[in-house]
Amino acid sequence: DGGITQSPKYLFRKEGQNVTLSCEQNLNHDAMYWYRQDPGQGLRLIYYSQIVNDFQKGDIAEGYSVSREKKESFPLTVTSAQKNPTAFYLCASSTPGQEKNIQYFGAGTRLSVL
Amino acid sequence: AQSVTQLGSHVSVSEGALVLLRCNYSSSVPPYLFWYVQYPNQGLQLLLKYTSAATLVKGINGFEAEFKKSETSFHLTKPSAHMSDAAEYFCAVRPPKAAGNKLTFGGGTRVLVKP
Repeated sequence: DGGITQSPKYLFRKEGQNVTLSCEQNLNHDAMYWYRQDPGQGLRLIYYSQIVNDFQKGDIAEGYSVSREKKESFPLTVTSAQKNPTAFYLCASSTPGQEKNIQYFGAGTRLSVL
Repeated sequence: AQSVTQLGSHVSVSEGALVLLRCNYSSSVPPYLFWYVQYPNQGLQLLLKYTSAATLVKGINGFEAEFKKSETSFHLTKPSAHMSDAAEYFCAVRPPKAAGNKLTFGGGTRVLVKP
């Protein structure tokens, strides 16, 4: 089945540590996105990528980094510079065309600080 | 800048009663509009979308939404709530020519269904 796989489901970060969240899709979608979800704040865009080897900052990119070396993969690194990383992180993908750029979401990774 | 307001962070309905979730947006041109549903500890699933065709949009699980340009609204309704409708619902907007297909989400409305 086609879809978006996020791993791990739960992740714990120690003080000063960088952690990487994985996002893989087999939908052959061009664009991929990372969102952060906090209670009562909806989803906020961290980074997005419209094509391999290119990505743009979203609304809250500080303390995060990404790469897009393959079409299928868009990993997110939460760096030690992100002082409040505890949140639910969602990855999404989309492709232009008849579906009017609908975004499809993975099941999320919940990140907590030890 | 785009903004989306969902009135009411929590809504409680009785099983079998009408579900009404409100969404208002700010945009200089009619945007594309979406409703997503999120079950606990899961990702978002698309319920329905408005992309400048019919103003009354039918989605999955018996939900529908009506685009009203004069009111800049896209409220979500379901005639009869079911226990399985308990979830969080998000309204999202995107200008028709938004770079990178960027969505702006509302804060979400959590629905509780009482037996």
